[in-house]
Amino acid sequence: KQEVTQIPAALSVPEGENLVLNCSFTDSAIYNLQWFRQDPGKGLTSLLLIQSSQREQTSGRLNASLDKSSGRSTLYIAASQPGDSATYLCAVHTSGTYKYIFGTGTRLKVLA
Amino acid sequence: EAEVAQSPRYKITEKSQAVAFWCDPISGHATLYWYRQILGQGPELLVQFQDESVVDDSQLPKDRFSAERLKGVDSTLKIQPAELGDSAMYLCASSLNEATPVYGYTFGSGTRLTVV
Repeated sequence: KQEVTQIPAALSVPEGENLVLNCSFTDSAIYNLQWFRQDPGKGLTSLLLIQSSQREQTSGRLNASLDKSSGRSTLYIAASQPGDSATYLCAVHTSGTYKYIFGTGTRLKVLA
Repeated sequence: EAEVAQSPRYKITEKSQAVAFWCDPISGHATLYWYRQILGQGPELLVQFQDESVVDDSQLPKDRFSAERLKGVDSTLKIQPAELGDSAMYLCASSLNEATPVYGYTFGSGTRLTVV
């Protein structure tokens, strides 16, 4: 059974810092992995989607990497801004299961 | 940009009452998912539809929850009777096809349910 873990659970950084959020999964037979952002009381916004054959994806200040063999993904945020404050969730689509399994998220606060 | 529509955004109901949530997926998306997210946790799948058929409802508390997608387009999730522990965010998502989620999921804004 796929299990997804996100560390740290919460993170507080000053504005301008580069930071890394971690996601680990137990079953490496994945189809793809998706990173989401969730603002308080809101739905999920897709940030980046990495297929199992890819090593990384980039969008603006965000870069997500995938190491299937070690069961890890990282989300790198460059030059963090107060507007980046939110919860970041990773979701793993395991081959043959037809659904995403979510981690519990990392709650990020960027201080002005 | 295409969106997944959900209503209502917020719902407060008393324990033992019935409550219903509605979701309209992106046009052309065959697969629809209902997830429940308890505060501080990640979303967990309740039910998954492929067109009008249920693919996975193994985590749906069937004694009180029901879901339908009669014409394979929009969907309704119902709780009767509601319990205090049902307080959560209910999220709907859709994708082109369950077997090849090449483009991932698109989520709606969710319905925040509070049971008092």
